[in-house]
Amino acid sequence: QVQLVQSGAEVKKPGASVKVSCKASGYTFIDYYIHWVRQAPGQGLDWMGWINPNTGGTNYAQKFQGRVTMTRDTSISTAYLELSRLRSDDTAVFYCAKVGSSWYEFDYWGQGTLVTV
Amino acid sequence: QSALTQPASVSGSPGQSITISCTGTSSDVGDYNYVSWYQQRPGKAPKLMIHDVSNRPSGVSNRFSGSKSGNTASLTISGLQAEDEADYYCTSYASSSTYVFGTGTKVTVL
Repeated sequence: QVQLVQSGAEVKKPGASVKVSCKASGYTFIDYYIHWVRQAPGQGLDWMGWINPNTGGTNYAQKFQGRVTMTRDTSISTAYLELSRLRSDDTAVFYCAKVGSSWYEFDYWGQGTLVTV
Repeated sequence: QSALTQPASVSGSPGQSITISCTGTSSDVGDYNYVSWYQQRPGKAPKLMIHDVSNRPSGVSNRFSGSKSGNTASLTISGLQAEDEADYYCTSYASSSTYVFGTGTKVTVL
C-alpha cells in the first residue's frame, strides 16, 4: 500500500533552517510528483511547490521562492523540503503529498511534520 | 496568487444536503478542470474526496459530488452524516504549473 512517512517534529530558532523528509513506499517513486503543503496552527492549507522525483525539477510558490529548496534521493525514495531563514510565522505542520493518476490531485499524504520556530 | 474563496462555515442537519462553494478567477478555477476537494479532520492529514471537478476516488462515498460553473466550483454532500463533520478545502491548478488552495470551510452537523 502507498505510504508517505515524514520525519519527526522539529524546534528551530528564528533565522535557522529546517529540513523535512518524506519517505515513499508502495509505488514507483520517480513516477509521481511530490508536493509540499504548509498549514499554520488553526489556519488553512498553503501550497508550497512540487518536485519531479524523476528529473529533480522543481516549481515553487512565489511566496516561498528564495527560502525553499525541494530535493530528492531516488536511491531511498525520499523527498526533502528545506526552508531557510525561519520566522516565527513559519511555525506550522508541513505535509508532503503525491499526485494521483490524473496528475492534478493529491491522492496520498504524509502524516505531517510540526516545525516550531 | 490569492487563495480561492470558500465560506467559513456551513451547517446542516443529518440527512440534509449542503453545498460548499469555491470561487476563484479565470486564471485558475475558470481556466482548468483541475479542481480537487479535500476533507480534513482535526489533527489529521487531508483526504482526497473529489478530483478533476467531479470525479470521486475509489472508496469515497457517492454522497459526495462536485461541479463547476465559470469561476466557481462546488462540493455537495448529500444525506449529511455526523462523520462528515470536518474542514473541507478546494484546490485548483493555476497558471505556470502552480496550485492554489481555498480558504477552507468548517462543516458542522447539527
